Amino acid sequence: NAGVMQNPRHLVRRRGQEARLRCSPMKGHSHVYWYRQLPEEGLKFMVYLQKENIIDESGMPKERFSAEFPKEGPSILRIQQVVRGDSAAYFCASSPRTGITGELFFGEGSRLTVL
Amino acid sequence: GNSVTQMEGPVTLSEEAFLTINCTYTATGYPSLFWYVQYPGEGLQLLLKATKADDKGSNKGFEATYRKETTSFHLEKGSVQVSDSAVYFCALSDLKFNTDKLIFGTGTRLQVFP
Repeated sequence: NAGVMQNPRHLVRRRGQEARLRCSPMKGHSHVYWYRQLPEEGLKFMVYLQKENIIDESGMPKERFSAEFPKEGPSILRIQQVVRGDSAAYFCASSPRTGITGELFFGEGSRLTVL
Repeated sequence: GNSVTQMEGPVTLSEEAFLTINCTYTATGYPSLFWYVQYPGEGLQLLLKATKADDKGSNKGFEATYRKETTSFHLEKGSVQVSDSAVYFCALSDLKFNTDKLIFGTGTRLQVFP
């Protein structure tokens, strides 16, 4: 039973390029969360999605960042015109249902380096 | 808003020493509380949780008790091993939207030496 799969694991971009990070949730999970971990810092919530819907994007920067979770296929976090400050580890987590269970299942993260 | 405060690391211990990592929280309502662990190069894994006041979560020798009166959820282990070296995150559930969204502390790095 595969866990949360994220790719790429490592991504290098130059300033101004676009970064696309993909997340396939665990089988049977329809809720996806994206978190960002800056070097030597904790995890900051970015966005929560259900299939085809953004439920909570209160942690997303207003510009350059977008996320989607289509009916078919993985969730995608897209960063346009990357800057050095976007260098971080981006973690995706999934859960099977809405509710206060608290157990999020995390992927191994995608580490973005902006040169 | 809701928030979690953890003691700063790194915490450096010898094998078999006693471990305490402090965690306090601020929240409206009655959140669930969690400890997650992150091993080098990996994602986070749930270590233990408690869903109401006075509950004790436990796993792999680690324990934490939900203390409403002191708004705390300190992590303890009686005898640490080198394999426990990792970053530990305290978290609470955000009660908005009735979701599993978690708010994390900044993490505490534990280093255990033989």
